[in-house]
Amino acid sequence: AQSVSQHNHHVILSEAASLELGCNYSYGGTVNLFWYVQYPGQHLQLLLKYFSGDPLVKGIKGFEAEFIKSKFSFNLRKPSVQWSDTAEYFCAVNDINQGGKLIFGQGTELSVKP
Amino acid sequence: GAVVSQHPSRVICKSGTSVKIECRSLDFQATTMFWYRQFPKKSLMLMATSNEGSKATYEQGVEKDKFLINHASLTLSTLTVTSAHPEDSSFYICSARGWDRNTEAFFGQGTRLTVV
Repeated sequence: AQSVSQHNHHVILSEAASLELGCNYSYGGTVNLFWYVQYPGQHLQLLLKYFSGDPLVKGIKGFEAEFIKSKFSFNLRKPSVQWSDTAEYFCAVNDINQGGKLIFGQGTELSVKP
Repeated sequence: GAVVSQHPSRVICKSGTSVKIECRSLDFQATTMFWYRQFPKKSLMLMATSNEGSKATYEQGVEKDKFLINHASLTLSTLTVTSAHPEDSSFYICSARGWDRNTEAFFGQGTRLTVV
């Protein structure tokens, strides 16, 4: 079955630490890839997206992600996290050949200690 | 980005009653809308995909007679939870996208449904 997998359920970091959140998917066709963030009590916000072109994409708030097709991965990174980055992070995949459904990973809760 | 408005943001209803949740695209034509359910500390589970003017396509395990979806116009889709029970209590989120599958979808603020 098609799926999106995020390896880390809860990550705890100190401010200024580097962040990498893993995301793998199992779709074989053409996909678009997304990372969303959900701050406590707020709705989903798009951090970044990959449709085509340069596999290293930069998003808002200093986040970036790299699409590695051979590994079916789209890991999210940030060199130096801040307390305000505390939130839930979701990787999502849009399978163009399956009606364009957007399927989410399980989410990773990031807690940044001041 | 485009704006998707979901209403109400919170609703409490009695067991056995029905609740309607609206999802509106305010500044674009939403050819496709998606309805998700999010449990506490859990991911978003896709319930169904609706295309304007067509019947919704439900994901496996989602009861179409319980979760009625209507997408009668390019700016409005509704989700009706019929004969609600406490186990239907959850956070429901809609998202909307234009005709091009190769574009991002925009999300509503979500609706917190509590069935008592």
